[in-house]
Amino acid sequence: DAGVIQSPRHEVTEMGQEVTLRCKPISGHNSLFWYRQTMMRGLELLIYFNNNVPIDDSGMPEDRFSAKMPNASFSTLKIQPSEPRDSAVYFCASRLPLNTEAFFGQGTRLTVV
Amino acid sequence: RKEVEQDPGPFNVPEGATVAFNCTYSNSASQSFFWYRQDCRKEPKLLMSVYSSGNEDGRFTAQLNRASQYISLLIRDSKLSDSATYLCVESSRQLTFGSGTQLTVLP
Repeated sequence: DAGVIQSPRHEVTEMGQEVTLRCKPISGHNSLFWYRQTMMRGLELLIYFNNNVPIDDSGMPEDRFSAKMPNASFSTLKIQPSEPRDSAVYFCASRLPLNTEAFFGQGTRLTVV
Repeated sequence: RKEVEQDPGPFNVPEGATVAFNCTYSNSASQSFFWYRQDCRKEPKLLMSVYSSGNEDGRFTAQLNRASQYISLLIRDSKLSDSATYLCVESSRQLTFGSGTQLTVLP
């Protein structure tokens, strides 16, 4: 199994531009998580899905952020418009049902200038 | 109060030392706990699960104390390669991570 796959690995964009981050979870996993990591705030849960349905998006910072999971093998996190304070590493993780460990993708390092 | 709290460190220890990390959690209904390891500029990776009876994997021992709502990780005979950030995780419907404890093992 290739593991959780995220793209792109690195993204540099100008303030105000739209950014789309992509994630392919491990096949058969039915939970998917989006996290953001910064030095100041550590790993923050943005949103998670169970069986493609968003369960808790209370961690999404504001309306500029949106996430979708159109099917079991693909999810996107979109930021529109992007701002410099969105600069961080964004991780996607997936797991089997409750109480099992999650597996992380390699992350997308986003820089907004 | 944060849901999962860890001492951020840093912990700087000599090779061969024994080091222990603690982590407290606020959700008394939490069912599962894990320790993850994260190397610089890498993704977090599972180190070990934490069971009520305690569990050991080589030089690593994890313990869970439900009454006091904390979990611990003990590393014996530390190696240079153990240098990393260690994250405790509480799992209920979602996964909640502590802020991580940074460990540096010195030669």
